[in-house]
Amino acid sequence: QSALTQPASVSGSPGQSITISCSGTSSDVGSYNLVSWYQQHPDKAPKLMIYGANRRPSGVSNRFSGSKSGNTASLTISGLQAEDEADYYCCSYAGSTTFFVFGAGTKVTVL
Amino acid sequence: QVQLQESGPGLVKPSQTLSLTCTVSGGSISSGSFYWNWIRQPAGKGLEWIGRIYTSGTTNYNPSLKSRVTISIDTSKNQFSLRLFFVTVADTAVYSCARGYTYDDWFDPWGQGTLVTVSS
Repeated sequence: QSALTQPASVSGSPGQSITISCSGTSSDVGSYNLVSWYQQHPDKAPKLMIYGANRRPSGVSNRFSGSKSGNTASLTISGLQAEDEADYYCCSYAGSTTFFVFGAGTKVTVL
Repeated sequence: QVQLQESGPGLVKPSQTLSLTCTVSGGSISSGSFYWNWIRQPAGKGLEWIGRIYTSGTTNYNPSLKSRVTISIDTSKNQFSLRLFFVTVADTAVYSCARGYTYDDWFDPWGQGTLVTVSS
């Protein structure tokens, strides 16, 4: 069982917006703005999409945005495109004992 | 552009030691405010952080694996390595290496990953 809770799947039509939640605790997501999100296409390496809960690396489309409220972080994909179909994982720093925890991943399907 | 590539045996027998190496290319393993991680993903399951090493040699490990893991670094070869002792079938997974950034704790880039199967 993963430390962070994500929905198993989220779907949307092209052009729509979807949001993936990542629920943690006061020991991880709730205590640190060190939440990152990764996109993984089949048989490909994960790609960093969001870091610092809401910061976007250069080169990542501005259709991807992140936010955090309390113990829950969220990734929103706006203007959904076929190429966004992938698995998405959240990750949070969890202090100097546990260090890092991941979610189990969310499969995004573009209808 | 920094790239990472994992290498090592794809099959390990139960109770033996899993050994993998990650080779960093396109940049020095000693440069910048980075550290170097191992992360694994069992089939059909989520990601699990295994541990990290700084260029100084300082290491941190996942508490659930700490008693069985050693991560080392060879700056002269631009490589870092993972050893997981006393493996069981539950250790079967795709093992990936990834660069981590000290100040914001993100992982990028990642290696392609290598499947390690534990089986007799």
